[in-house]
Amino acid sequence: GDSVTQMEGPVTLSEEAFLTINCTYTATGYPSLFWYVQYPGEGLQLLLKATKADDKGSNKGFEATYRKETTSFHLEKGSVQVSDSAVYFCALSDRPGRGGSYIPTFGRGTSLIVHP
Amino acid sequence: NAGVTQTPKFRVLKTGQSMTLLCAQDMNHEYMYWYRQDPGMGLRLIHYSVGEGTTAKGEVPDGYNVSRLKKQNFLLGLESAAPSQTSVYFCASSYLAGAATQPQHFGDGTRLSIL
Repeated sequence: GDSVTQMEGPVTLSEEAFLTINCTYTATGYPSLFWYVQYPGEGLQLLLKATKADDKGSNKGFEATYRKETTSFHLEKGSVQVSDSAVYFCALSDRPGRGGSYIPTFGRGTSLIVHP
Repeated sequence: NAGVTQTPKFRVLKTGQSMTLLCAQDMNHEYMYWYRQDPGMGLRLIHYSVGEGTTAKGEVPDGYNVSRLKKQNFLLGLESAAPSQTSVYFCASSYLAGAATQPQHFGDGTRLSIL
């Protein structure tokens, strides 16, 4: 079945440092890929997505590129801020008719802590 | 635009009590989901619905029941609460059209403690 593997956290960085959170996936179909962010006490919200190979999703300075050859969707940001402290979830959703379903598969989440 | 609203936000129950969590969405989404989030476990799908009047089991359905009598509402019931059901519960919804490319929209969660 489908699965998503994220690097374990917490990831602890100083403000203005470069961020990478690794995400790799296995899927039976040709999935769409998502990054969600969860701030303390809140629900998940979409950060960015990519729906086909080589697509780059971007939002709020975060980027991730859909790499089909390495089955990866790593999240990057050039300069993190204290306000980026949150839990980040990688997820995939398979296309219909290829043995997949519309039920997304989530990674376990990676906690990011940014110090001033 | 309210999005996904969960009621209540917090609740403390005694073992054996019952309760219903309400999720309401105003985006006309066909799909709705209930998850639980526990430390170190990520999100686990309890039940989901692909439309009014239909429900299906997710990864961890035991001890829970759901109903989708109206398209905009998805109810999660605990018939006899157990301490193992202490968790944060999230509701989400999404569009059917182009479903695989559509993100989920989440509520802010219900924090439930079972004593």
